[in-house]
Amino acid sequence: GNSVTQMEGPVTLSEEAFLTINCTYTATGYPSLFWYVQYPGEGLQLLLKATKADDKGSNKGFEATYRKETTSFHLEKGSVQVSDSAVYFCALTDSNYQLIWGAGTKLIIKP
Amino acid sequence: NAGVTQTPKFQVLKTGQSMTLQCAQDMNHEYMSWYRQDPGMGLRLIHYSVGAGITDQGEVPNGYNVSRSTTEDFPLRLLSAAPSQTSVYFCASSSGTKGYGANVLTFGAGSRLTVL
Repeated sequence: GNSVTQMEGPVTLSEEAFLTINCTYTATGYPSLFWYVQYPGEGLQLLLKATKADDKGSNKGFEATYRKETTSFHLEKGSVQVSDSAVYFCALTDSNYQLIWGAGTKLIIKP
Repeated sequence: NAGVTQTPKFQVLKTGQSMTLQCAQDMNHEYMSWYRQDPGMGLRLIHYSVGAGITDQGEVPNGYNVSRSTTEDFPLRLLSAAPSQTSVYFCASSSGTKGYGANVLTFGAGSRLTVL
């Protein structure tokens, strides 16, 4: 069945460091891929998405490229800020348009 | 524009008690859903609805009931709470039921439920 695997957290970085959060998936067909972010005490919100192979989603300095050959959708940011501290969820769609979620990766940015 | 509003934010129940988590959205979204979030397990879909009068089960529906009498409201009922239902619950909605629109979810702020 469809599944999403994310790197375990927490990931702890210093401000201005480079960020990578790994996400790999297993799916039949051609799913769309998403990153959602959950800031402390809030609900999730969409960060970026990609709908087909080689698409790059980007938002707020974050980027992720849909890599079908490696079944990956890694999240990257060149210079993180304290305000980026949150939990990041990778997700894909199944054939019924329901979202399949990864377990989430907690990111802690220290000043 | 309030978006998705969930109440209550916090609730403590005793085993066997019943309660309803409320969810309301003011965006005229067709699709509404309930998730539970547990540490290390991401989000798991409980129930969802693609329009008023239509509901369906998600991944973990046991112990929960839903109804959708209006477009705006989608309450989640626990008929006899169990400690295994201790979790954070999120309501989410979207403008579409298929395609890209179905996957861009707007979430409420969450309801933290503890069952003793």
